[in-house]
Amino acid sequence: NAGVTQTPKFRVLKTGQSMTLLCAQDMNHEYMYWYRQDPGMGLRLIHYSVGEGTTAKGEVPDGYNVSRLKKQNFLLGLESAAPSQTSVYFCASSSGTGGARNSPLHFGNGTRLTVT
Amino acid sequence: GQQVMQIPQYQHVQEGEDFTTYCNSSTTLSNIQWYKQRPGGHPVFLIQLVKSGEVKKQKRLTFQFGEAKKNSSLHITATQTTDVGTYFCAGRTGGGNKLTFGTGTQLKVEL
Repeated sequence: NAGVTQTPKFRVLKTGQSMTLLCAQDMNHEYMYWYRQDPGMGLRLIHYSVGEGTTAKGEVPDGYNVSRLKKQNFLLGLESAAPSQTSVYFCASSSGTGGARNSPLHFGNGTRLTVT
Repeated sequence: GQQVMQIPQYQHVQEGEDFTTYCNSSTTLSNIQWYKQRPGGHPVFLIQLVKSGEVKKQKRLTFQFGEAKKNSSLHITATQTTDVGTYFCAGRTGGGNKLTFGTGTQLKVEL
């Protein structure tokens, strides 16, 4: 099983350029998430989706947009990249919540983005 | 908003020594999960705690959830080089679908 697949693995952008990060999962999970990871700051939630056609803002949504047109795919877009968006981006998926429990997050291998 | 802090940020130990990381939330948590991220890798789920005062063990790892459900700890007994990585806690408040991750503790184990 592939699990969660992210593309690309690495990317270098110039300030002002745009790009889309792709995330695909083959586990039929309802929930998908985009996190960014920066040194000393842990993982911060950018946007998430609780099902096909729905998206919601996380902690740090500014400068990013997302779309979930198909259940298995979650796209993260940067319309005009800034150096502050240099980070490692992780996509994750889960089957959702059940009462007081959360299903575990399954992470992709990450995309390392540098904006110069 | 909800904040989840972890201490220490870094820990160097000699192989065979014990290690503990602490996770503290500004708000009461519905549950808490722990993840491990190897250098260059992605976070991998370790365990989830739900009940107040809950203690769970996985071989040399012991996880605790505080009585007030605002803090948690991970203790590793007799560390090994395979324990190297960053350990994150992640907590959920209320009925939401979002997990808030702690800042992480990076563990290095020296021979």
